[in-house]
Amino acid sequence: SVLLYQKPNRDICQSGTSLKIQCVADSQVVSMFWYQQFQEQSLMLMATANEGSEATYESGFTKDKFPISRPNLTFSTLTVNNARPGDSSIYFCSSRQGGFNERLFFGHGTKLSVL
Amino acid sequence: AQSVTQPDARVTVSEGASLQLRCKYSYFGTPYLFWYVQYPRQGLQLLLKYYPGDPVVQGVNGFEAEFSKSNSSFHLRKASVHWSDWAVYFCAVSPLASSSFSKLVFGQGTSLSVVP
Repeated sequence: SVLLYQKPNRDICQSGTSLKIQCVADSQVVSMFWYQQFQEQSLMLMATANEGSEATYESGFTKDKFPISRPNLTFSTLTVNNARPGDSSIYFCSSRQGGFNERLFFGHGTKLSVL
Repeated sequence: AQSVTQPDARVTVSEGASLQLRCKYSYFGTPYLFWYVQYPRQGLQLLLKYYPGDPVVQGVNGFEAEFSKSNSSFHLRKASVHWSDWAVYFCAVSPLASSSFSKLVFGQGTSLSVVP
C-alpha cells in the first residue's frame, strides 16, 4: 500500500491569490493524480502527473489555472492560481498501485475555502 | 460516456441493522466497479472491486456487493452495521483496460449515519 500525506489540511484564502497544496508519498510512485470534490458531489479527476514530464489535464482543467509539479517520484504540488469562490472544494492527491491488486490510494484531502 | 449514480445522498441505519447502498452505472461494455469508503478526516480507501466473473464480491469489514448487468447496478450490502461504519461511501466505474484505473468515474457519494 501507499500512504499519501497532504499539506495543508485546510486553507482559507482571498480571491485573486494563489495557494499550493503538497502531496508526499511514503514510497516511490510512478503516477500521481489530483481530484477535486465539491461538497456532496463526486470526485472529478483534474490531472495526471508523472515524474519529469508535464501533467496531463482533463477537460475543464488547465495548466494555467492549476499548475502541477512533479519533481520526483514521491512528491507533487498542486497550485490554484487566481483563486475564486468557485474553487472552494476539497482537493485530493492519489496514486496508483499496479499489478494484480491494482487500486488507487488517496490522501486525506485539503479543504480550500476562497473568500 | 460512463457515469455513476448513487441515488441516496444520505442513509441512516440503526446499529446492528442490515444495510444496502445503491449504485447505478452507465457504461457501454463490461466495466470494472469499485466501492470506496471515506472515514471522517481520512482519504478514500478501497472496500471492494468487481472484475468480470462472480457477480458477488466480498470486501473488507463484512461488506459485499453484487453486480447486475441487467439492472446496471452494483449495490453494496452489509448484514449488520457497526457504529464504526459511519462514513461516506463512493461507487466508481472504470473502463476494462487496466491502464485506465486511474480514470475512475465516481458517484456523488452516500453519507451513512449509524444510530444506536
